[in-house]
Amino acid sequence: GDSVTQMEGPVTLSEEAFLTINCTYTATGYPSLFWYVQYPGEGLQLLLKATKADDKGSNKGFEATYRKETTSFHLEKGSVQVSDSAVYFCALSYVNTDKLIFGTGTRLQVFP
Amino acid sequence: EAGVVQSPRYKIIEKKQPVAFWCNPISGHNTLYWYLQNLGQGPELLIRYENEEAVDDSQLPKDRFSAERLKGVDSTLKIQPAELGDSAVYLCASSLTLFSGNTGELFFGEGSRLTVL
Repeated sequence: GDSVTQMEGPVTLSEEAFLTINCTYTATGYPSLFWYVQYPGEGLQLLLKATKADDKGSNKGFEATYRKETTSFHLEKGSVQVSDSAVYFCALSYVNTDKLIFGTGTRLQVFP
Repeated sequence: EAGVVQSPRYKIIEKKQPVAFWCNPISGHNTLYWYLQNLGQGPELLIRYENEEAVDDSQLPKDRFSAERLKGVDSTLKIQPAELGDSAVYLCASSLTLFSGNTGELFFGEGSRLTVL
């Protein structure tokens, strides 16, 4: 079945460091790919998405590119801030099902 | 605009007791979801509603779990009786339907954290 695999955390970085959180997927079709973020004490919220191969999603300085050849959707940010500390979830869904399949989440901790 | 509202935020019960969670979706969102999130795991879909119809409940353990969305707005998720393994966070989410501008984004509530002793 379809699944999403994320790198285990926590990822611990100093402020202004470069961030990569790896995400790979297994899918039978052509899903849309998402990154959701969960800040402490808050609900999950959409960070960015890409709906087809080679699309790049971006938001708040974060980017991820839909790579069909490597079945990946890695999250990157050039310079992290303390306020980016959160749990990041990679997910996929098909446009005709509305069903999100999540990875296990990666906790990011950024220190000043 | 108000987001997805869930209650209670926290619930502690003894095993074999019943428990219920309530969700009010974003106004105008016809699709409503209940997800289960175990500690250190990603959310897993329990049930999805289109208006008042449950269109995907294949992952809902029907021997002890039940859900309803009688008027196509608010929803309630019930567990009876609760077991130790039910300790988790229960998330509610809502979205527009596919044919009313859904971009694939789900809007989540803050969740209801259940502890079964």
